[in-house]
Amino acid sequence: GAVVSQHPSRVICKSGTSVKIECRSLDFQATTMFWYRQFPKQSLMLMATSNEGSKATYEQGVEKDKFLINHASLTLSTLTVTSAHPEDSSFYICSAEKTSGGAHEQFFGPGTRLTVL
Amino acid sequence: QKEVEQNSGPLSVPEGAIASLNCTYSDRGSQSFFWYRQYSGKSPELIMFIYSNGDKEDGRFTAQLNKASQYVSLLIRDSQPSDSATYLCAVDRGSTLGRLYFGRGTQLTVWP
Repeated sequence: GAVVSQHPSRVICKSGTSVKIECRSLDFQATTMFWYRQFPKQSLMLMATSNEGSKATYEQGVEKDKFLINHASLTLSTLTVTSAHPEDSSFYICSAEKTSGGAHEQFFGPGTRLTVL
Repeated sequence: QKEVEQNSGPLSVPEGAIASLNCTYSDRGSQSFFWYRQYSGKSPELIMFIYSNGDKEDGRFTAQLNKASQYVSLLIRDSQPSDSATYLCAVDRGSTLGRLYFGRGTQLTVWP
């Protein structure tokens, strides 16, 4: 199997505060993890690619100073939303890439629903 | 043009019928194609992936790929009410391994 966990599952915070979301691959090592954001009725939008031991690669339009990513080990990546505002309220989902026999599969965490008041 | 387009749905089929979900993509360099299922309020779960032209079967699910037409589909046989969900088509970004484009999804309802 390939299990990915995320913590917390739900967070409500005040505008201007920072929120950290953890993503862990529980039964495999993931050199690469991905962070997505999903607004209601919309598809997943890739925010950044997180690589263990190196800087994250951000997609166009995603502020790297606002969405801080740290991939400290082969099983953990964190996303910190700094100075959150109501427009940052969304469903944040991470995925971890499992490589096996040349295949690259992404397994998703359960997601974190962020509400900024 | 969007990178990945899916028939918008919603798609409604009776229990036991075949549900057909379609997806087209624009990046000819794409090599890997995935179907995910997403229940409301949950994160996506991988159903199938396909790399080669033709059909790939896994239980009640069959993925079909036609790279020349840039088309990928998912057939669900003997549809069950528990199959009711949004189905996301994902395609790799041909130039960058691992990064995926996602379609907006097709909502499927299977009624008893």
